[in-house]
Amino acid sequence: SQQGEEDPQALSIQEGENATMNCSYKTSINNLQWYRQNSGRGLVHLILIRSNEREKHSGRLRVTLDTSKKSSSLLITASRAADTASYFCATDRGGGADGLTFGKGTHLIIQP
Amino acid sequence: DGGITQSPKYLFRKEGQNVTLSCEQNLNHDAMYWYRQDPGQGLRLIYYSQIVNDFQKGDIAEGYSVSREKKESFPLTVTSAQKNPTAFYLCAAESGTGGSYTFGSGTRLTVV
Repeated sequence: SQQGEEDPQALSIQEGENATMNCSYKTSINNLQWYRQNSGRGLVHLILIRSNEREKHSGRLRVTLDTSKKSSSLLITASRAADTASYFCATDRGGGADGLTFGKGTHLIIQP
Repeated sequence: DGGITQSPKYLFRKEGQNVTLSCEQNLNHDAMYWYRQDPGQGLRLIYYSQIVNDFQKGDIAEGYSVSREKKESFPLTVTSAQKNPTAFYLCAAESGTGGSYTFGSGTRLTVV
């Protein structure tokens, strides 16, 4: 079952602008992760935020987590053409590691 | 250079045939996973394995089979019972501590 839902489904912005993607989920989680997928390739891990964390940074990425609203956001600052990809949130319910549950993703296009 | 190797990159199957997708890892990770991705969709879990000689069904296991005879290897067989096998298949591994997943580059299976 797919727990995460990303919003928007697609996003097109100009190079240099910031991109924000949102993710909502349904059940309690151990952690939430964000992945990037370039067309026809495997997924690349970007950042992991645990349920007791509220914000995390990695380079140009900023992730927030609100467990009361069961939502997360991914902010990419100063976007570049190379950031064009699909971005997925995934939740780990923990307690036995029965696999991550992925949303359908946000397709991000950075216009040069 | 640690990672996951999936082969082949492209695979064509005739109706009624079984095919096996290879997944090999040199990360020494205990947990391995198989996901299916359809166009414009997120990933759905087929099977996973936490330890050698043990594996569990995911959300869409019907028509698939796996084995885990070695820690490094987790092959997936798509059987003739899988009615709609055309998809992108992704293998992943995780250390077993509830952290991030490392994905292979995927196998694109097409039924001809």
